[in-house]
Amino acid sequence: NAGVMQNPRHLVRRRGQEARLRCSPMKGHSHVYWYRQLPEEGLKFMVYLQKENIIDESGMPKERFSAEFPKEGPSILRIQQVVRGDSAAYFCASSPQRVGSEQFFGPGTRLTVL
Amino acid sequence: KNEVEQSPQNLTAQEGEFITINCSYSVGISALHWLQQHPGGGIVSLFMLSSGKKKHGRLIATINIQEKHSSLHITASHPRDSAVYICAVWNSGGSNYKLTFGKGTLLTVNP
Repeated sequence: NAGVMQNPRHLVRRRGQEARLRCSPMKGHSHVYWYRQLPEEGLKFMVYLQKENIIDESGMPKERFSAEFPKEGPSILRIQQVVRGDSAAYFCASSPQRVGSEQFFGPGTRLTVL
Repeated sequence: KNEVEQSPQNLTAQEGEFITINCSYSVGISALHWLQQHPGGGIVSLFMLSSGKKKHGRLIATINIQEKHSSLHITASHPRDSAVYICAVWNSGGSNYKLTFGKGTLLTVNP
């Protein structure tokens, strides 16, 4: 039973390029959460998705960031026109149900913007 | 003031010592997570608890809902326990799927 998978593990982009981060939840999990960990800071909630629905994106920056979780395939976190301040570790977590259930985290994607 | 505060921020111990990491929170919660993160590594869920005490191997987690406080204890610490330990809570006063995280406690266990 594979855990939460994220790819790529490391991603380097130049300013202005696009970054696409993928997350495959654990088998049987239909709830996905994205978190960002900036250098020297704690984890921050970004967005919560169910299949084909964005439930809460209150932690997402208003511009350049978007997320989706299609019916088939992984969840995608997309960052357009990246800037140096986007450099961070992005973690995905999944859970089988919503209300206060345990979340299982992926290994993270370390994004570096040059 | 952060909703979730951890202490200490940094902790150095000798192998075999008993370790305690504390977490205090200021909001009503439905449950609390203890997580472990190795440097440059992923995040592993250690415990989820909403009352009382849980034990897994050398790790023990306790929570006091009235005092809004939780502790993570490590008995007979080992260098492989060196990691960042993170406390996170589900806020019961609204969207209780959103985790709010403490800043973490960096534990170093020397041989």
